[in-house]
Amino acid sequence: DTAVSQTPKYLVTQMGNDKSIKCEQNLGHDTMYWYKQDSKKFLKIMFSYNNKELIINETVPNRFSPKSPDKAHLNLHINSLELGDSAVYFCASSQDGGQPQHFGDGTRLSIL
Amino acid sequence: GEDVEQSLFLSVREGDSSVINCTYTDSSSTYLYWYKQEPGAGLQLLTYIFSNMDMKQDQRLTVLLNKKDKHLSLRIADTQTGDSAIYFCAEIYSGYALNFGKGTSLLVTP
Repeated sequence: DTAVSQTPKYLVTQMGNDKSIKCEQNLGHDTMYWYKQDSKKFLKIMFSYNNKELIINETVPNRFSPKSPDKAHLNLHINSLELGDSAVYFCASSQDGGQPQHFGDGTRLSIL
Repeated sequence: GEDVEQSLFLSVREGDSSVINCTYTDSSSTYLYWYKQEPGAGLQLLTYIFSNMDMKQDQRLTVLLNKKDKHLSLRIADTQTGDSAIYFCAEIYSGYALNFGKGTSLLVTP
């Protein structure tokens, strides 16, 4: 009964490929997020969705496309992967904007 | 957002108190947060404080908030080796996202 679950946990792929990361929350929250954590552990917001609507798109290359089929899911699709995309990607959810955010365990993406 | 500042490292002996400091940027942030990340793990919401409070205590954790100076601190009493982790301070950004500090690596030695 994991609250925020992401799949896969690890993703190793080659430069130029396209990949997706899935996220699901069973907390009944209205808002979901994607964050990127780089090799120095810096965490930055990428996207925020509220009730399936995009609220924040934080200067992320348009190779990254989030999709929210319903309030419980926010998937991240990445086209033409580059070496600099190697990072840990975290999904999170909250009841509403500004409320405490609960994080998934992260997806470690490694680009060869 | 602008930078939320934290010192990068802190080392304490087991049984001592740890104090991790943070300077945030947005005085309109309704909540301020502390997250814990153990090696190879995700982010755990440790505690948070509402902006109209100046102190919150939760078992071994005490959060102090000085709104005038935009200063937030986390005190861990009786620090244990299991408390070794990275601690992130965070404020609300644009009403929805979290703006994180760079994290403080806490090392607890026996």
